[in-house]
Amino acid sequence: EPEVTQTPSHQVTQMGQEVILRCVPISNHLYFYWYRQILGQKVEFLVSFYNNEISEKSEIFDDQFSVERPDGSNFTLKIRSTKLEDSAMYFCASSTQRGDTGELFFGEGSRLTVL
Amino acid sequence: QKEVEQNSGPLSVPEGAIASLNCTYSDRGSQSFFWYRQYSGKSPELIMSIYSNGDKEDGRFTAQLNKASQYVSLLIRDSQPSDSATYLCAVTAAGNKLTFGGGTRVLVKP
Repeated sequence: EPEVTQTPSHQVTQMGQEVILRCVPISNHLYFYWYRQILGQKVEFLVSFYNNEISEKSEIFDDQFSVERPDGSNFTLKIRSTKLEDSAMYFCASSTQRGDTGELFFGEGSRLTVL
Repeated sequence: QKEVEQNSGPLSVPEGAIASLNCTYSDRGSQSFFWYRQYSGKSPELIMSIYSNGDKEDGRFTAQLNKASQYVSLLIRDSQPSDSATYLCAVTAAGNKLTFGGGTRVLVKP
């Protein structure tokens, strides 16, 4: 069964360092997303991406965040200068249709720990 | 602020019983409604979607939607210990963004 894959599964970094989280969406999916979940809290939307551009972003997704689909298969989330409060599980998701009409499939997540 | 609210639980049910989970949402423009299951430390897994008022059944799961009351529910029949997880209600309006509730933790006791 096709699945969304994410790497790394766990990353530990020092505050102020840059982090890149990688995702390979399901191959025939067109819409890509990043969500995050701080331990014990709600799953929160960060950004959606379609046709090689951001289609929607949340207030969390400020200038320190960026997304890219560099090679037609990978979808990356970059955090330029990590803060302690960026420690969370980051989930990549993909769908064949827009989120209000289609179903999102989530990867297993990348746990980011900022020290 | 568009909110999705769920009782955090835990909802404790005996094996074989029905678990009933509730969710309310604040955005009247919401169009699509989803229930995800999340095991501890894992990612959300879609179990049901519902788009129109009424009931939708899939195996042991039934989702119910009432847009007038801004209410969506999930029934789990013949609950099994493997159903023990956190159940997340998620809602979209027009667009791509899923707004999640905080989840209801369900414990099924053998």
